[in-house]
Amino acid sequence: QKEVEQDPGPLSVPEGAIVSLNCTYSNSAFQYFMWYRQYSRKGPELLMYTYSSGNKEDGRFTAQVDKSSKYISLFIRDSQPSDSATYLCAIYTGNQFYFGTGTSLTVIP
Amino acid sequence: GAVVSQHPSRVICKSGTSVKIECRSLDFQATTMFWYRQFPKQSLMLMATSNEGSKATYEQGVEKDKFLINHASLTLSTLTVTSAHPEDSSFYICSAKFVGPYNEQFFGPGTRLTVL
Repeated sequence: QKEVEQDPGPLSVPEGAIVSLNCTYSNSAFQYFMWYRQYSRKGPELLMYTYSSGNKEDGRFTAQVDKSSKYISLFIRDSQPSDSATYLCAIYTGNQFYFGTGTSLTVIP
Repeated sequence: GAVVSQHPSRVICKSGTSVKIECRSLDFQATTMFWYRQFPKQSLMLMATSNEGSKATYEQGVEKDKFLINHASLTLSTLTVTSAHPEDSSFYICSAKFVGPYNEQFFGPGTRLTVL
């Protein structure tokens, strides 16, 4: 079993839709959770990070962590064409980083 | 967020030559940097973990004599692809770990290597 599982998509939504991106993880000892956005041919860009269960909001983005289910989510409200990218979840154990495979998102104008 | 730069952004070289890629943390010190490789439409593949002042730790299957890593200072790590071959053509991305409450990784913009 992989440490982090992420549906690769691709996911295609109309502009303005709410997008839900999800990852599951295997080890309850994982502590820190991050979401990265990667545009084509660019390095990943850190979007959000959190370490506790619950929600963290930043503009149109909300990161959600459910430690009891070992499930993390990223919600994008009012999605824009500029949100079209690959989104990677990442988990830091305190010692090592694990990345999901990334979900490719296309927002159609 | 913290800034990590990478140079060059793109390099084309002949088979058999060596190529050096630099990774710098511009506004923070990074005792740990990471080197990744990414093929088109695939996720990041960790190649090695670079620790300042010590030898890099390579992931299984990564040839340490081919991919030489040097982390000479708290802001600079270099990856040298020795005797490059066409199969080494890829997108190489470095990242630096920011020592803070969350220990985030900040990524460089990547280097596209093409070996002819």
